[in-house]
Amino acid sequence: KQEVTQIPAALSVPEGENLVLNCSFTDSAIYNLQWFRQDPGKGLTSLLLIQSSQREQTSGRLNASLDKSSGRSTLYIAASQPGDSATYLCAVRRTGNQFYFGTGTSLTVIP
Amino acid sequence: EAGVAQSPRYKIIEKRQSVAFWCNPISGHATLYWYQQILGQGPKLLIQFQNNGVVDDSQLPKDRFSAERLKGVDSTLKIQPAKLEDSAVYLCASGRIRDSSYEQYFGPGTRLTVT
Repeated sequence: KQEVTQIPAALSVPEGENLVLNCSFTDSAIYNLQWFRQDPGKGLTSLLLIQSSQREQTSGRLNASLDKSSGRSTLYIAASQPGDSATYLCAVRRTGNQFYFGTGTSLTVIP
Repeated sequence: EAGVAQSPRYKIIEKRQSVAFWCNPISGHATLYWYQQILGQGPKLLIQFQNNGVVDDSQLPKDRFSAERLKGVDSTLKIQPAKLEDSAVYLCASGRIRDSSYEQYFGPGTRLTVT
């Protein structure tokens, strides 16, 4: 069974700092990994998707990397802003379009 | 493109009552998912449909939960009877292939409180 872990569970940083969120998974037989953002009381918004054959994906201030062999992914946020405050979730996709989610990292960016 | 629609957004019921949630996926998306997200945890897959057939319902508590997707479009998730531990946000998602990969799109969720 695929287990997905995210560390840290919560993170608080001052505005402008660069930060890294971590995601690890136990079974490296994945098709892709997706990072989501969840704002309080809302659904999930897709941020980045990395295919299993890729090493990283970038979108604006966000960069996600994937090391499938070691079962790890990181989400790098540059020059953090208060609007980045949210919970960040990673999900790995296995066969049959099944997704397994981590428990999330709650990020607070202090102005 | 319209997003995934869910209703109601909030529901409060007493234990042992029944409740139903509705989801309308993005048009053309063949796959539909229901997830349960308990406070402080990541979403847990309850059931996955491909068109109107069930692909995976291994984590659905079938003694009290049921789901259907008639005509391969809208879906309903029902709980009967509800327990206190069913308090959670129920998320619906639909999926499609994009750029040779597969992505999920989520609705806003239904927050259920069982008292």
